Amino acid sequence: SQTIHQWPATLVQPVGSPLSLECTVEGTSNPNLYWYRQAAGRGLQLLFYSVGIGQISSEVPQNLSASRPQDRQFILSSKKLLLSDSGFYLCAWSEGTSGSWDEQFFGPGTRLTVL
Amino acid sequence: GENVEQHPSTLSVQEGDSAVIKCTYSDSASNYFPWYKQELGKGPQLIIDIRSNVGEKKDQRIAVTLNKTAKHFSLHITETQPEDSAVYFCAASPIIQGAQKLVFGQGTRLTINP
Repeated sequence: SQTIHQWPATLVQPVGSPLSLECTVEGTSNPNLYWYRQAAGRGLQLLFYSVGIGQISSEVPQNLSASRPQDRQFILSSKKLLLSDSGFYLCAWSEGTSGSWDEQFFGPGTRLTVL
Repeated sequence: GENVEQHPSTLSVQEGDSAVIKCTYSDSASNYFPWYKQELGKGPQLIIDIRSNVGEKKDQRIAVTLNKTAKHFSLHITETQPEDSAVYFCAASPIIQGAQKLVFGQGTRLTINP
C-alpha cells in the first residue's frame, strides 16, 4: 500500500531564516506530487506541482520554491522566511496517469510558525 | 481561473439530523468535484467525489449532487454522528494532461451536537 510522509511535523523559525520541508511517498512510482498551504481557518491553496523528476510548476508567485530530486521526494524551500509564510503545509500525491481523475492523497502536514 | 465558493462556513446540527454543504464554481471546464474531510491537525481525506458525467453519487450516509448548468454541487450527510464533526472542503478541477490542479473552497466546520 502507498504511504506519504512529511517532516518535520511542526517547525518554529525566525524571520529571515531558511526553510526545508520534505515529503516522500512509498509504494508507487512516478506519482504526481503537490505542495499546498493552508492558512488558519482557510482552504487549501496549491503552491507547486510536479509530474516528474526535475519538473516543477509554480501556481503562486511567492517566497518559496520546490524541487523534486528523486521520483518520490518533493521538497519545499525558502532562502528567507517571511511572517506571511506561517501556515499548515500539506504535501499530496496522485497516480501519474495523464488525463485521469485520480484521487489526491494528503500527508499529515507540517505546521510552520514564523516569528 | 477557477473560483470555488463554499457555504456555510460553520454548521451545527443535532445528532441524527442531516447536514448539507453547498459549493459553487466558476469554470465550466471543471469536471471533477471531490469532497474532503479534515480532522484537527491532520491532512484532508477524500470522502466522496463526482465526475461531470454523473448527477448524483451516494456512499452509505454520504451523497453528492452536481448541477453543471448552475455550476453548483452539494454534500449531504444523513443520520449524522459525533464522528462526523470535522472541517469539510469541496474542490473543483478540470481534467488536464498531467497533474490535477484542485481549487478548494474555504471549508465548512461541521459540529454534531449529541
